Amino acid sequence: DGGITQSPKYLFRKEGQNVTLSCEQNLNHDAMYWYRQDPGQGLRLIYYSQIVNDFQKGDIAEGYSVSREKKESFPLTVTSAQKNPTAFYLCASYEGWGTEAFFGQGTRLTVV
Amino acid sequence: DAKTTQPNSMESNEEEPVHLPCNHSTISGTDYIHWYRQLPSQGPEYVIHGLTSNVNNRMASLAIAEDRKSSTLILHRATLRDAAVYYCILRPAGGAITGTASKLTFGTGTRLQVTL
Repeated sequence: DGGITQSPKYLFRKEGQNVTLSCEQNLNHDAMYWYRQDPGQGLRLIYYSQIVNDFQKGDIAEGYSVSREKKESFPLTVTSAQKNPTAFYLCASYEGWGTEAFFGQGTRLTVV
Repeated sequence: DAKTTQPNSMESNEEEPVHLPCNHSTISGTDYIHWYRQLPSQGPEYVIHGLTSNVNNRMASLAIAEDRKSSTLILHRATLRDAAVYYCILRPAGGAITGTASKLTFGTGTRLQVTL
């Protein structure tokens, strides 16, 4: 079955450390997205990529970095520069304006 | 961005129908109305979408007002597994996705509680 896989589901990080969240899709979608969700809040766009080897900043890109070396993969690195990294991170992919968006199961990152 | 307005929370008894409203008074003629739901600690999942006509699928029905300024997601028989946050969002139709206009604008949605 086609879908998006995020790993790990839970992640703990010490302050000052970088950490990378994985996102893989086998839907053959060109466009992939990273969102952040805080408790009781909506989704905020961190980065997106609409084609391999290209990506763009979203609304809250500071303290994050991404790469898109393969169509299937869009990893997100939370750097030590991100002041408040504890959150639920969601990866999504979708094609076409009116079509269904697919989300991964999310990674809950906690800074300890 | 065209915005949507939903009640913060709703309650339903199991096995009863649930009508989840959404107002989108600034919707443009080319916006699709999408509904997603998010179960606790999971990513959002697609429920249904429509443009002008009412739509049905195995999960739910979508009733769209004639002027398209509001819509209602209908769960015909709520179960405990339907307890989730339901989001109504708008997505433009036509053409290729470009730029940040392609982002999905999820607000805080409606938290549906289902009780026995």
